Amino acid sequence: GAGVSQSPSNKVTEKGKDVELRCDPISGHTALYWYRQSLGQGLEFLIYFQGNSAPDKSGLPSDRFSAERTGGSVSTLTIQRTQQEDSAVYLCASSLVGTSGYEQYFGPGTRLTVT
Amino acid sequence: DAKTTQPNSMESNEEEPVHLPCNHSTISGTDYIHWYRQLPSQGPEYVIHGLTSNVNNRMASLAIAEDRKSSTLILHRATLRDAAVYYCILASTSGTYKYIFGTGTRLKVLA
Repeated sequence: GAGVSQSPSNKVTEKGKDVELRCDPISGHTALYWYRQSLGQGLEFLIYFQGNSAPDKSGLPSDRFSAERTGGSVSTLTIQRTQQEDSAVYLCASSLVGTSGYEQYFGPGTRLTVT
Repeated sequence: DAKTTQPNSMESNEEEPVHLPCNHSTISGTDYIHWYRQLPSQGPEYVIHGLTSNVNNRMASLAIAEDRKSSTLILHRATLRDAAVYYCILASTSGTYKYIFGTGTRLKVLA
C-alpha cells in the first residue's frame, strides 16, 4: 500500500516568505508526527497529532511555526517569515496509534532551503 | 527529557554480527526503546522496539538490560545495505509526549 507522502520534495524560498509543507499519512493511521533534520544532524521532534489534536506543541522552535491536521488525515506545517536557520529537511511520520508501543513510518521529507 | 547515548561510529565486516550499544540511564517505566535506521538521503526506517523483554524480528534482535538502563541492537549478519545511521530512541507517552532522537551511530560495513 501507499506509504507516507510529503510535498513538495524540495522548496527554495527567500528569507521572510511563508512556506507550507504537506504530509499525507498512511491511510488509517491516527497519529502523525513532524520532525526536522538539519544537515549532518539527528532528528528534532517538532509536534505530534493524535487525530486532529496536538497534545504537545512544545517542540515547535518558535511561534513562527504552526501545524494543523484536518479530517484526521492530511497535515500542514507552516513556517512564517522564514529565516536561514529554518533550512533543513522536514520529515513527517505516521503510526497506527499514538502510543509508544507502535512504530512510525516516515515519509521521504521536504528539503527546505531559505536563501 | 529522557535521552540516549550512542557511539558516534562503528565498523563491521560484511557477514559478521554487529552489536550496536545504547545507554539510557534516565529511562522511565513507561518508556519504550525503539531503534530506527537512516540510509543516505532517505527518511528513517523502523528496525525494532521493546519494553522489557528481548525482541527478535526479521531485521534484528534487541537485547535489553535487566535494569533497562542500556540496550543493544544486534544485526546477525551485516551486509553492505546495512550501512546507515542507527538511532536508539526512548518513546514516551507519559506526561508530555516526546520522541527524542539522539545523534545516532554511523555504521560502516566493510566488504
